[in-house]
Amino acid sequence: AQSVAQPEDQVNVAEGNPLTVKCTYSVSGNPYLFWYVQYPNRGLQFLLKYITGDNLVKGSYGFEAEFNKSQTSFHLKKPSALVSDSALYFCAVRDETTDSWGKLQFGAGTQVVVTP
Amino acid sequence: DAGVIQSPRHEVTEMGQEVTLRCKPISGHDYLFWYRQTMMRGLELLIYFNNNVPIDDSGMPEDRFSAKMPNASFSTLKIQPSEPRDSAVYFCASSITMDQPQHFGDGTRLSIL
Repeated sequence: AQSVAQPEDQVNVAEGNPLTVKCTYSVSGNPYLFWYVQYPNRGLQFLLKYITGDNLVKGSYGFEAEFNKSQTSFHLKKPSALVSDSALYFCAVRDETTDSWGKLQFGAGTQVVVTP
Repeated sequence: DAGVIQSPRHEVTEMGQEVTLRCKPISGHDYLFWYRQTMMRGLELLIYFNNNVPIDDSGMPEDRFSAKMPNASFSTLKIQPSEPRDSAVYFCASSITMDQPQHFGDGTRLSIL
């Protein structure tokens, strides 16, 4: 079975400071990992993904994420947060060997609040 | 690229009524997904299609829920009869393959009174 955990309901950060949103996962085989962002009254928007290759993945809007197999983590990072980064962030995982027909499992989401 | 289009954006109806949600996926995307989002349960996958064929409907909560995809450019999610606990935001998403990112519509906010 596959699962994903986002241990923080909310992350508060001052504008200009580094932003980190945590994600850990559990899969039977190799993970496919995704980050999405959701703004109020909008659908989820894709930020970045890891399937294979370099452990550091760069995505949209200056975000990046580091895949750590030993810690089963895929934390989202941004060196300098903007007020406009305030949104709900979702981590998602898919197990390539799952018997769940490859469905994405989404985390519960982390609300990011960036203060001026 | 118009993105995934959902209609209506908001729906308010009384318990017992039939509700039909509509989705137009991005052209060329072979996969279509229906999700439900609530505060209590988060984002739940209800059903997904590949090339218009339902692949996994294990997330559909009850027989009151049904989904169809009559062609590559249109899908519906129907609730009959509707109940207050069905109140949620329903999202449609599409993707080229299962490995590629899913593109979400802006959702239908459903309120059952």
